[in-house]
Amino acid sequence: DAGITQSPRHKVTETGTPVTLRCHQTENHRYMYWYRQDPGHGLRLIHYSYGVKDTDKGEVSDGYSVSRSKTEDFLLTLESATSSQTSVYFCAISESTSGKNTDTQYFGPGTRLTVL
Amino acid sequence: LAKTTQPISMDSYEGQEVNITCSHNNIATNDYITWYQQFPSQGPRFIIQGYKTKVTNEVASLFIPADRKSSTLSLPRVSLSDTAVYYCLVVPSNDYKLSFGAGTTVTVRA
Repeated sequence: DAGITQSPRHKVTETGTPVTLRCHQTENHRYMYWYRQDPGHGLRLIHYSYGVKDTDKGEVSDGYSVSRSKTEDFLLTLESATSSQTSVYFCAISESTSGKNTDTQYFGPGTRLTVL
Repeated sequence: LAKTTQPISMDSYEGQEVNITCSHNNIATNDYITWYQQFPSQGPRFIIQGYKTKVTNEVASLFIPADRKSSTLSLPRVSLSDTAVYYCLVVPSNDYKLSFGAGTTVTVRA
């Protein structure tokens, strides 16, 4: 399995609190992604990164920001958590230097976030 | 991104072959068809990818007709451990993003 860890694995927080989720990889892959998964919606892309300090928005980016200061770490921040952001968050990495979508994405174990 | 349609759920028994058909009527010329598998409490895992005709690996086969408007994932001789959600994705070769639908929940019974 690809070396991807997510921290924390579980978190309960209160509405209005800032939250940061961390994705760490040991594969030196260029591309990293954050998804959220909710019942009935499959996985939806929040943000992705195509290199250090290079990021772009996905389909559900409102209320989220990301940062990537090192190849191995991709941080997802909920600036002011809301109950609608209760979800399971998955990080993924892609190995190809071309970044083409036909390349396999490897997913982390997920972070279960509950916003009360 | 091309829209995909696949059954919400399928039931099977151990040892049977499971075939999941995915419709993607507006697939574009540079799109590939990719399937992922997700077990409970885990992230999705790549199974197979194809462009046309047939692709086979150690896990599954993927059948794509000439018009490419549909595809069928075939899981041979399933076991209880194949119970999972299976996602069909149509992915452009020149884009970074994946779009997952709700997937097909396959339940294998003894």
